Amino acid sequence: KAGVTQTPRYLIKTRGQQVTLSCSPISGHRSVSWYQQTPGQGLQFLFEYFSETQRNKGNFPGRFSGRQFSNSRSEMNVSTLELGDSALYLCASRPGLAGGGTQYFGPGTRLLVL
Amino acid sequence: TQLLEQSPQFLSIQEGENLTVYCNSSSVFSSLQWYRQEPGEGPVLLVTVVTGGEVKKLKRLTFQFGDARKDSSLHITAAQPGDTGLYLCAGEVSYNTDKLIFGTGTRLQVFP
Repeated sequence: KAGVTQTPRYLIKTRGQQVTLSCSPISGHRSVSWYQQTPGQGLQFLFEYFSETQRNKGNFPGRFSGRQFSNSRSEMNVSTLELGDSALYLCASRPGLAGGGTQYFGPGTRLLVL
Repeated sequence: TQLLEQSPQFLSIQEGENLTVYCNSSSVFSSLQWYRQEPGEGPVLLVTVVTGGEVKKLKRLTFQFGDARKDSSLHITAAQPGDTGLYLCAGEVSYNTDKLIFGTGTRLQVFP
């Protein structure tokens, strides 16, 4: 089985722009979570989707949004980019049964905001 | 706010040495996971501990979950250069969500 894939792998944007990141989970996985990783704050939970519904949300401003499609692929969007949004954005998937199954992480999208 | 503190933050040792990484919280977690992350990649799960007091071994790595399910440790025996990486503990908030609270991370460098 192919692993979790994320596109693009690298992205450079300027302040005020918006960006959309994509995540394709492992085939058959219905749960997708997003995390932001920065040197200062570490890995922080953004949101979690299951069957196209947002199941949980972290403490991030409304500029951060996401969605999940019927094929379980997910996108996250960040509007009005700020310098502090520069980070590695990680997506993880698992079958979807809460409390069971390993979460598999993708390689991440590294976003640089200038 | 649930926090997981890891110590030490950085560790630089010679091949063959033993080391222990600690992961502490004031919160109780339904399970605790340990990951290793290498540059340019996402974290890879090493182990999940669920029961208070549980000890799991993975070759030279020994993981322990505290009796109260608030803390955990990772012990590596005879470290190898291939063990180099960022070690992260992560607590599962509850069984009804995939949300993980990640620790602050321990960056390990093993020199040959």
